[in-house]
Amino acid sequence: AQTVTQSQPEMSVQEAETVTLSCTYDTSESNYYLFWYKQPPSRQMILVIRQEAYKQQNATENRFSVNFQKAAKSFSLKISDSQLGDTAMYFCAFMKHKGGSEKLVFGKGTKLTVNP
Amino acid sequence: DAGVIQSPRHEVTEMGQEVTLRCKPISGHNSLFWYRQTMMRGLELLIYFNNNVPIDDSGMPEDRFSAKMPNASFSTLKIQPSEPRDSAVYFCASRRGGGSYNSPLHFGNGTRLTVT
Repeated sequence: AQTVTQSQPEMSVQEAETVTLSCTYDTSESNYYLFWYKQPPSRQMILVIRQEAYKQQNATENRFSVNFQKAAKSFSLKISDSQLGDTAMYFCAFMKHKGGSEKLVFGKGTKLTVNP
Repeated sequence: DAGVIQSPRHEVTEMGQEVTLRCKPISGHNSLFWYRQTMMRGLELLIYFNNNVPIDDSGMPEDRFSAKMPNASFSTLKIQPSEPRDSAVYFCASRRGGGSYNSPLHFGNGTRLTVT
């Protein structure tokens, strides 16, 4: 079974600075997808960024980027120029690649606080 | 696009009562997932459906939990009888299957269940 580990329960960063959230996973699959979701206090789950395992290039979405290290099974999220609205829980998630529907397995989350 | 719609937003009930949570997936999405979120266990997949058929219900904690998807636009998660340890936020999510990377999971706003 796949597992996802987020080793930082809580983190804080000053507004405008950069922060990196860690995620490691365990799988025997060779092809899969990885995701970061954000959950603000409103409780809604919002997709931040996604990465296909067979793509070596790290995904980037505006201020959000990932450092994907396949051999190390690591998938960290970097948030540049942090904003107050980035305060939220961040969840790393794994999904096997198959033709049909597959489930997402989530880590326990990292609570990020952006301080003014 | 109305998004995934869950009802009720909040539910407070007494131990032993039956609870029914409802979900309307995004039109055209053929995969539906029920997750439970608690502080202790994080986000756990309870069950998921593909084309209205349950694919994996290994996450359903006990026989007290049951889920149905009578058609493509509606699903229910029922707990009978409810217990205090069932208190959690229950999320429904949907996505278009067959293209995992390009079809991310869309979450509803969740139902916060409190069993006293």
